[in-house]
Amino acid sequence: SQTIHQWPATLVQPVGSPLSLECTVEGTSNPNLYWYRQAAGRGLQLLFYSVGIGQISSEVPQNLSASRPQDRQFILSSKKLLLSDSGFYLCAWSPLGLAGKDTQYFGPGTRLTVL
Amino acid sequence: SQQGEEDPQALSIQEGENATMNCSYKTSINNLQWYRQNSGRGLVHLILIRSNEREKHSGRLRVTLDTSKKSSSLLITASRAADTASYFCATAPFNNNDMRFGAGTRLTVKP
Repeated sequence: SQTIHQWPATLVQPVGSPLSLECTVEGTSNPNLYWYRQAAGRGLQLLFYSVGIGQISSEVPQNLSASRPQDRQFILSSKKLLLSDSGFYLCAWSPLGLAGKDTQYFGPGTRLTVL
Repeated sequence: SQQGEEDPQALSIQEGENATMNCSYKTSINNLQWYRQNSGRGLVHLILIRSNEREKHSGRLRVTLDTSKKSSSLLITASRAADTASYFCATAPFNNNDMRFGAGTRLTVKP
C-alpha cells in the first residue's frame, strides 16, 4: 500500500531563516506530487505541483520554491522566511496521469510558525 | 485561487441527524471531489463524482452533482460525533492541471 510522509510535523522558525520541508511517498512510482498551504480556518492553496523529476509548476509567485530531486521526494524550500509564510503545509500525491484530476492522497502536514 | 465555495461555513447538529453541505463552482469541471479534514491533520478523500454522473453513494455519504447549476451537495446520514471535521469540495477543471479547494464547511456533531 502507498504511504506519504512529511517532516517535520511542527516547526518554529525566526523571520529571515531558511526553510526545508520534505515529503516522501512509498509504494508507488512516478506519482504526481503537490504542495499546498492552508491558513488557519481556510481552504487549501496550491503552491507547486510536479509531474516528474525536475518538473515543477508554480501556481503562486512567492517566497517559496520546490524541488523534486528523486521520483518520490518533494521538497519545499525558502531562503528567507516571512511572517506570512506561517501556516499548515500539506503534501499530496496522485497516480501518474490526469495530474490534478485524480484522487489526491495527503500527508499529515507540517505546522510552520514564523516568529 | 479557490474554485469551489462551500456552504454553510459552519454547521452544528445533534448525533443521529443528517448533515447537508453544498458546494458551488464557476468553471466546467472534469470531476468534483469531497474531502474530510480532522483538526490539525491531512485531508482524507471521501468520494469523487465525474461530470457525467448525477449521484453517488458511499456508506452513509451521498453526493449529488448538478453541472447545469455548477453545484454539488454532500449528505451525511445518521451523523455520529466522529463525523465532526471540516469538509472540503475540490474541483478538477478541464483546462487546468490542478484541483481547486473551497474554504470548507466545519461540521460539529454533538453527542
